[in-house]
Amino acid sequence: GESVGLHLPTLSVQEGDNSIINCAYSNSASDYFIWYKQESGKGPQFIIDIRSNMDKRQGQRVTVLLNKTVKHLSLQIAATQPGDSAVYFCAEKWDNFNKFYFGSGTKLNVKP
Amino acid sequence: NAGVMQNPRHLVRRRGQEARLRCSPVKGHSHVYWYRQLPEEGLKFMVYLQKENIIDESGMPKERFSAEFPKEGPSILRIQQVVRGDSAAYFCASSPAGNGNTIYFGEGSWLTVV
Repeated sequence: GESVGLHLPTLSVQEGDNSIINCAYSNSASDYFIWYKQESGKGPQFIIDIRSNMDKRQGQRVTVLLNKTVKHLSLQIAATQPGDSAVYFCAEKWDNFNKFYFGSGTKLNVKP
Repeated sequence: NAGVMQNPRHLVRRRGQEARLRCSPVKGHSHVYWYRQLPEEGLKFMVYLQKENIIDESGMPKERFSAEFPKEGPSILRIQQVVRGDSAAYFCASSPAGNGNTIYFGEGSWLTVV
């Protein structure tokens, strides 16, 4: 079922620090994961994805880590900026369709 | 490149009226997904459509809700006889194929039922 969850509902960091947002997913059969960023009043914006045959993937200032043993996903944001303030969702899929299950989100507050 | 386009962005309906939400996918994308988001919650899958076909509607309420994606034109999410509990943000997403692809979201349609 839909049981993707996040450990921390709110995370406050200082501008310039690194941020780590965690996500626990429930289905060991999940084969594809996406992190989305959602600003107030807007739609989810793709940040980075990772497939289950990988354990790490890097983008611009972001890194996603996947630990299948404990069904844990994390998003690391380097040198966090005020523009990174938003709600972050992890999403997983496990069936043959692009049917994603979302967690409840973590709100990231970046303090200047 | 135009992304997923949704309209209206904001819609107010009285209880008992109908709401129609439209979604035009990214050009070239033939797969459309509708999600609903309540305040302070994550997105919940509603329905997955290809052109002229409903592939998976397991997240759709059994009554009052329907969706279509005709051969020509946008996908439509229709809510009949709206109730206050239907107030939410409705997001459409699209992908070029049906499996293993990132889905890209539109900016959403915010429905308020008064």
